[in-house]
Amino acid sequence: AQSVAQPEDQVNVAEGNPLTVKCTYSVSGNPYLFWYVQYPNRGLQFLLKYITGDNLVKGSYGFEAEFNKSQTSFHLKKPSALVSDSALYFCAVRDPRVDTGFQKLVFGTGTRLLVSP
Amino acid sequence: DAMVIQNPRYQVTQFGKPVTLSCSQTLNHNVMYWYQQKSSQAPKLLFHYYDKDFNNEADTPDNFQSRRPNTSFCFLDIRSPGLGDAAMYLCATSRDIWRGGRETQYFGPGTRLLVL
Repeated sequence: AQSVAQPEDQVNVAEGNPLTVKCTYSVSGNPYLFWYVQYPNRGLQFLLKYITGDNLVKGSYGFEAEFNKSQTSFHLKKPSALVSDSALYFCAVRDPRVDTGFQKLVFGTGTRLLVSP
Repeated sequence: DAMVIQNPRYQVTQFGKPVTLSCSQTLNHNVMYWYQQKSSQAPKLLFHYYDKDFNNEADTPDNFQSRRPNTSFCFLDIRSPGLGDAAMYLCATSRDIWRGGRETQYFGPGTRLLVL
């Protein structure tokens, strides 16, 4: 069965410093991987995804993620953090079953990012 | 802008009093999902509609039902809300992969349900 692990409940970083939010996955087939961000009392906003192609994926708001197949990781990164990046971040993997037309996402437990001024 | 809309944003109901949450979308996506999210936990899929076909997750309580009268709208009905049903309810949409969907689910802002 597919699963996603976000090993850190919280990540603290100072504004202007680079940030990394970690995600590792376990799937039986080729992974489709996603990052979403959630601000307080809001829905999930799509940041970026990896389906195929370049291992470095660029997304919204200056975020990027690197797919590493050998380490089964898909860490989210940003070169220079902003206070406004403080939010809850979810990594998700798509169920690789191909006999269904819909995509069932398996989410990680989330990582709270706190960026201090 | 194309989007997923949820109403109301906040809903207060009484223990055992039926409540309906609504979701609409202008993305013309054929798949719609309902998730339950408690206390900043990971969203939990309750069910989804693939076109008009309803698909329940195995562990979704019978207390939760859904309707999709047309492509644009989907409703979540909680027949007898309990205190444990207080949560954020998220609606999402996607285009299915057989129709060239790009594998992304788009979420609405959510409805926070409070049960008194």
